[in-house]
Amino acid sequence: QQQVKQSPQSLIVQKGGISIINCAYENTAFDYFPWYQQFPGKGPALLIAIRPDVSEKKEGRFTISFNKSAKQFSLHIMDSQPGDSATYFCAASYSASKIIFGSGTRLSIRP
Amino acid sequence: DVKVTQSSRYLVKRTGEKVFLECVQDMDHENMFWYRQDPGLGLRLIYFSYDVKMKEKGDIPEGYSVSREKKERFSLILESASTNQTSMYLCASSGDSGGAFFGQGTRLTVV
Repeated sequence: QQQVKQSPQSLIVQKGGISIINCAYENTAFDYFPWYQQFPGKGPALLIAIRPDVSEKKEGRFTISFNKSAKQFSLHIMDSQPGDSATYFCAASYSASKIIFGSGTRLSIRP
Repeated sequence: DVKVTQSSRYLVKRTGEKVFLECVQDMDHENMFWYRQDPGLGLRLIYFSYDVKMKEKGDIPEGYSVSREKKERFSLILESASTNQTSMYLCASSGDSGGAFFGQGTRLTVV
């Protein structure tokens, strides 16, 4: 019930391509779905987040798509750049309390 | 700039030692968290606190305890360090918005 399942574990995308990372959750009480970006040697940084009352949120090249009925959400990175190479974590929380993370996706953008 | 500061970047401790990891946030956040991060396992919640002197167990609390005497400070204690507690430890805080802000992490090695 508390798990957030993330796929793929690793992803290689050509520069300029679209990177897509998927997550699924079970607990329908979750009301906040953030994505975090982590570079080696650093803590995760909040990238973009969505609440379940909307189906899509876009910030620059980053878009979250949210499917409430399927209990799935995904991160799309448009025009992927080498600087986007990092580990990405999806997460879910409810009532601004504890945050449950997915297992992470290591993204590599090939020049 | 918001800040979550962990007291040490790197620590080496001996098996059986009592270890203290300190975390301070300057955002007046109610919630604070301790996670450990291991390759392939993502971020696993050890403990979190939603108020001063309040704490709740996360997914992997065994072998750990926490202390929150002041709102801005959240300490993680390893009562008797063991080699399987060698890991990256991440502290985070969050407020009403739900988004969490992380410290830079403490890489702990237990020998």
